[in-house]
Amino acid sequence: SQKIEQNSEALNIQEGKTATLTCNYTNYSPAYLQWYRQDPGRGPVFLLLIRENEKEKRKERLKVTFDTTLKQSLFHITASQPADSATYLCAPGAMDTGRRALTFGSGTRLQVQP
Amino acid sequence: DGGITQSPKYLFRKEGQNVTLSCEQNLNHDAMYWYRQDPGQGLRLIYYSQIVNDFQKGDIAEGYSVSREKKESFPLTVTSAQKNPTAFYLCASTRSGANVLTFGAGSRLTVL
Repeated sequence: SQKIEQNSEALNIQEGKTATLTCNYTNYSPAYLQWYRQDPGRGPVFLLLIRENEKEKRKERLKVTFDTTLKQSLFHITASQPADSATYLCAPGAMDTGRRALTFGSGTRLQVQP
Repeated sequence: DGGITQSPKYLFRKEGQNVTLSCEQNLNHDAMYWYRQDPGQGLRLIYYSQIVNDFQKGDIAEGYSVSREKKESFPLTVTSAQKNPTAFYLCASTRSGANVLTFGAGSRLTVL
């Protein structure tokens, strides 16, 4: 069965450092992969989408990589700030018509210490 | 401003009661979704709808029902058959053929 793995342990880093979060998937051939941010008690907010033919995508301090051979995506936040503290969810997306809905990983909680 | 409105934000229910969670969007999106989130866990898909008057079961549809009579609205009913309904419920939508989801603020249901 399809499986998405994100580190369930919280990631604690110091302000100004780079945070790197990992998303691994199995039994999947996603055409794209999305990352969302979720604050406590709120709905997720879309951050970035990377397609299978893209190796890297950037948006301001965010960078996402997508390695279809390793079946892995890395999500980087450079020059991290306490305001970046949140849970980050990955969602690989497939283009098959059998299921037109995203499946999400369980998320990794990031805590940036001032 | 365009967006998705979920109500109520907090809801308490006694065992054996059905409750309906509202989800309304003014984004003119075709597809709408309901997810459930338990503490420390990811989102699990309950139901989704690609067009009006049509919907499909997700991974955990048992004990839930939905309707899609209008494009803007996708209410979720949590029935008494749902054995463990206490959770955070999220509604989302997207344009036809698009991939990115817009989420509502969520509804937290607690069974007393």
